[in-house]
Amino acid sequence: EIVLTQSPGTLSLSPGERATLSCRASQSVSSSYLAWYQQKPGQAPRLLIYGASSRATGIPDRFSGSGSGTDFTLTISRLEPEDFAVYYCQQYGSSPSTFGQGTKLEIK
Amino acid sequence: QVQLQESGPGLVKPSETLSLTCEVSGYYISRGYYWGWIRQPPGKGLEWIGSIDQSGSTYYNPSLKSRVTISIDTSKNKFSLRLSSVTAADTAVYYCARHPHSILRGVTTLYWFDPWGQGTLVTVSS
Repeated sequence: EIVLTQSPGTLSLSPGERATLSCRASQSVSSSYLAWYQQKPGQAPRLLIYGASSRATGIPDRFSGSGSGTDFTLTISRLEPEDFAVYYCQQYGSSPSTFGQGTKLEIK
Repeated sequence: QVQLQESGPGLVKPSETLSLTCEVSGYYISRGYYWGWIRQPPGKGLEWIGSIDQSGSTYYNPSLKSRVTISIDTSKNKFSLRLSSVTAADTAVYYCARHPHSILRGVTTLYWFDPWGQGTLVTVSS
């Protein structure tokens, strides 16, 4: 199965700053079948990005995804207070679908 | 809009079978999509368990396949998870979710998960 490694484990930034989160796959993710989710404490994950770069319905345009092959990035252009959460990537190009271990985005 | 709600016992004894149900509202599951289960041990990451479509076609994570059964009841608009021979390692928040899919040249690809239920914590303990 494909192992996804997210970095950094924790990212400390201030509101208004730019956040760059990485997701690296142990082998190429076919057709850029990669999604990103946001999870806040006590809540279910929320879909942000699918197909590596397509925003889900209702997701602000400060969230963007990029990448292909084995390297993918989630960028939040200007952090809002509500963006501080844990972010997960998921690959669905190869069965079983797998998730990264998460990046915690915390307020500096 | 589509909403999912998990239900079931919050405490299961070791070696017994965990049973959960996901009720779907705002969408007739008989119309399509795959419907999946994902779990998250406390403080840890996410693990896909398995998925089912309206015809009963299932896909399971090989790591759990020998212990998992997912079923669907389109007349009640719900689907269910059974996980047998549980241990403390199965303690987790269990989520149900919808996910789109494609079929190309007879190969089914299951996509992302959206939306998700709120999740239900199941603790395995005597």
